[in-house]
Amino acid sequence: DIQMTQSPSSLSASVGNRITITCRASQGISNSLAWYQQKPGKAPKLVLYAASTLKSGVPSRFSGSGSGTDFTLTISSLQPEDFATYYCQQSHSAAWTFGQGTKVEIK
Amino acid sequence: EVQLLESGGDLVQPGGSVRLSCAASGFTFNTYAMSWVRQAPGKGLEWVSTISGGRSTNYADFVRGRFTISRDNSKSTLYLQMNSLTVGDTAIFYCARLLGGSGCYDYWGQGTLVTVSS
Repeated sequence: DIQMTQSPSSLSASVGNRITITCRASQGISNSLAWYQQKPGKAPKLVLYAASTLKSGVPSRFSGSGSGTDFTLTISSLQPEDFATYYCQQSHSAAWTFGQGTKVEIK
Repeated sequence: EVQLLESGGDLVQPGGSVRLSCAASGFTFNTYAMSWVRQAPGKGLEWVSTISGGRSTNYADFVRGRFTISRDNSKSTLYLQMNSLTVGDTAIFYCARLLGGSGCYDYWGQGTLVTVSS
């Protein structure tokens, strides 16, 4: 299976900060990568797919980039509603896999 | 409005079985592939299985031979039959809709909890 490794596992930031989360695949996955946001007790929500395509309705402060093995999710100006856990997910191989998650906490 | 509503989660003993259901509404169910994704308490997300609109299936290695995904397009319902359950299968099970051919999930249910314990 393709392993997805996110870094950092957690981060503390303030409202208005710019943050970047990295996701690395154990082998090349082209741009077959999605990002999800999950808040405690809730189902995940799709944020970005195809590495850089924003889901309709998601604020433009979210952006994604990367191809091959290295990907990033950037939030340009953190808002209170953005504090959550973020997961990357690859769909390049038959067995889809998720990263372990990055928890974004309020500083 | 797209809605996915899971049910069937329960407390079961190791070695037992349970069938999960996911009732879909608000979209043309038979034109979308669907998946089950699980999340153990306090842990990350784990893909379990996917079924296409045409009923071709795929499974994670850790459930192959124990779990069976199926769908009834006439009822707009997705199922997951889970047999030979172990303590390690304890998790919230989410059903999720695939976004076209993008390989990602654009809608998720609220989840149903399966607890495997003696």
